[in-house]
Amino acid sequence: QVQLVESGGGLVKPGGSLRLSCEASGFTFSDYYMSWIRQAPGRGLEWLSYISNGGTTIYYADSVRGRFTISRDNARNSLYLQMDSLRAEDTALYYCGRERYGSISYWGQGTLVTVSS
Amino acid sequence: QSALTQPAAVSGSPGQSITISCTGTTSDVGGYNYVSWYQQHPGKAPKLMMYDVNNRPSGVSNRFSGSKSGNTASLTISGLQAEDEADYYCSSYTRSSTLVLFGGGTKLTVL
Repeated sequence: QVQLVESGGGLVKPGGSLRLSCEASGFTFSDYYMSWIRQAPGRGLEWLSYISNGGTTIYYADSVRGRFTISRDNARNSLYLQMDSLRAEDTALYYCGRERYGSISYWGQGTLVTVSS
Repeated sequence: QSALTQPAAVSGSPGQSITISCTGTTSDVGGYNYVSWYQQHPGKAPKLMMYDVNNRPSGVSNRFSGSKSGNTASLTISGLQAEDEADYYCSSYTRSSTLVLFGGGTKLTVL
């Protein structure tokens, strides 16, 4: 069955960096587009970034463009999100998802990122 | 870019039907048939309930249906059950550089 497992979250100071990972299994990872989505505590969902199956097409939300970088390693069945210049408002549960025309058909359980001094 | 507009809360009694709306613009909901709906129970990851406006993923009850008219998409749940109580989010492809927008979410209460 399809499984997505995020890792790499934690507590970081404002201005710091973190790299999130998402390990995929149960499907041919290299066939699918992937996305990152986050949810601040008690808030709604926010789409962050998308990467095509080959990694050649990438989109970002305005809120993270220039600070976050999405990438993937198809040989390792893994998706990544490099987060730099972190702010308090980036505190959230970060999900990876398998994407199809804007629809996230499978979600991981999320990894929590807390930005605080 | 602003999120899609959903009512903050809706409610209904068991067995009744409810509809949740999701309003956007011609650049998103009105411009694409790529509207999705998600159900999220407390402490859980979202679950895809509808994609491409009115397509149900395998395993989703046929009590859930989707539609779209102009810039507004809708999710209808018929025969409400206690387990339907959850937060519901819509999303849509958008013509902007952001690519995907979510709605603000709707809390469904089964009375």
